[in-house]
Formats: sequence, structure tokens, C-alpha cells
Amino acid sequence: ETGVTQTPRHLVMGMTNKKSLKCEQHLGHNAMYWYKQSAKKPLELMFVYSLEERVENNSVPSRFSPECPNSSHLFLHLHTLQPEDSALYLCASSQAGGDEQFFGPGTRLTVL
Amino acid sequence: GESVGLHLPTLSVQEGDNSIINCAYSNSASDYFIWYKQESGKGPQFIIDIRSNMDKRQGQRVTVLLNKTVKHLSLQIAATQPGDSAVYFCAESFDTGRRALTFGSGTRLQVQP
Repeated sequence: ETGVTQTPRHLVMGMTNKKSLKCEQHLGHNAMYWYKQSAKKPLELMFVYSLEERVENNSVPSRFSPECPNSSHLFLHLHTLQPEDSALYLCASSQAGGDEQFFGPGTRLTVL
Repeated sequence: GESVGLHLPTLSVQEGDNSIINCAYSNSASDYFIWYKQESGKGPQFIIDIRSNMDKRQGQRVTVLLNKTVKHLSLQIAATQPGDSAVYFCAESFDTGRRALTFGSGTRLQVQP
């Protein structure tokens, strides 16, 4: 276990649904990240939160909406997704400005 | 036909042999490099890292080599074991304050018993 948990582990949703992915870290870190890992591309950075402020939005469509209510929790709100958004969504955490990122197990998302 | 998934280079080795996994990085300004291991159904797991002021770093059974001249990174695994079978990713970072990682596409390591 890395100290980063993600729920749910698997999610199937229709294109008109609204759902949220949750990430929680128990490592005392203050930076959190969302990555997308799809079958046809390398791991892609989506969002970075440092000290609860969003410091990076890597040209992600607005149908993905992150939320970081405190340094231990990170959410990814999903609405009107497309089938090509099906992927493994990984959360990671680190110390702000630190190097090593610790990853959660991911949420396997399937959009029908 | 269309490929089902990302085509990963595969390295197949015999148990007990040494493995070398290579990675070419793109940004000459990158100053931090890291190797991750990802087993099926799990998130990436840290293996070893190295800063640009070094050219070699050793861990337990693993060594990372950095050649900044040709922008090349390698991961050496000594006495490879079946539990080492996984996909290995290198990643680079160039902004101390940002520290967001840019990942390579990965190499699949298969260890034959």
C-alpha cells in the first residue's frame, strides 16, 4: 500500500451521467495530482494541486472538473463524458515542490 | 486493423539474468528523473530516482544510469525475479516548483522462470 487510496476502483457510466472519483492520501503531503492512463497513450498529467490551489490544468476538457477541499482529499467530477474518456484515472501525491510522487491504485472508468 | 492498445516494447529475460531497460527523454532542461514499476491492476510504484548532477545511482538490486549528452536513461535490474515482471516507466521533470512528471510510454518486462 502506498498511502494513497482511490474510490471507486471500477466505474461504468453512461454519457449523460454525473459521477465523481475520490482520492485520499494519508502521507501528510500537500500536493495532489490527477493523471489519465489510456490504452493508446502514455500517462498524461491532467491537474496539479499544490497547497490546495490548482496550479496546473493541462488542457483538460471542461467535462472533467477537479476539486481539492483540503490537502488530503482530491476529487474528479465527471459529466457528459465521451467513450474516448474511458481509461484508468490515477491520483498521486507528494510534498509541494518535492520529487517522488506516490500513486493510488487508480479508478478504471468505462464510458458507454 | 487498429491496435487494441498501446504497443509497448517488451523485454523478455530468464530468471536470474540481469535486465536493462532503456529510456530516451526529450527535454534537455530536465533535472530530475524517476523510474516507476506498474503491475497489472495497480498504480505506478516508485523504484529509484536520480538528479541531473549525477550519472549513476544504486538501490537494492537496481541501478539507474543517466547520460545527459544523449538524453538517455537506463534501469538495470540485477538477478531478475518473476516478481519483477511489470511495465516500467521512466519520467522526467524540469521545474522544481511544479514537479509535474512527464512519462515515457513504458517497457514491459517479462521474466521467464
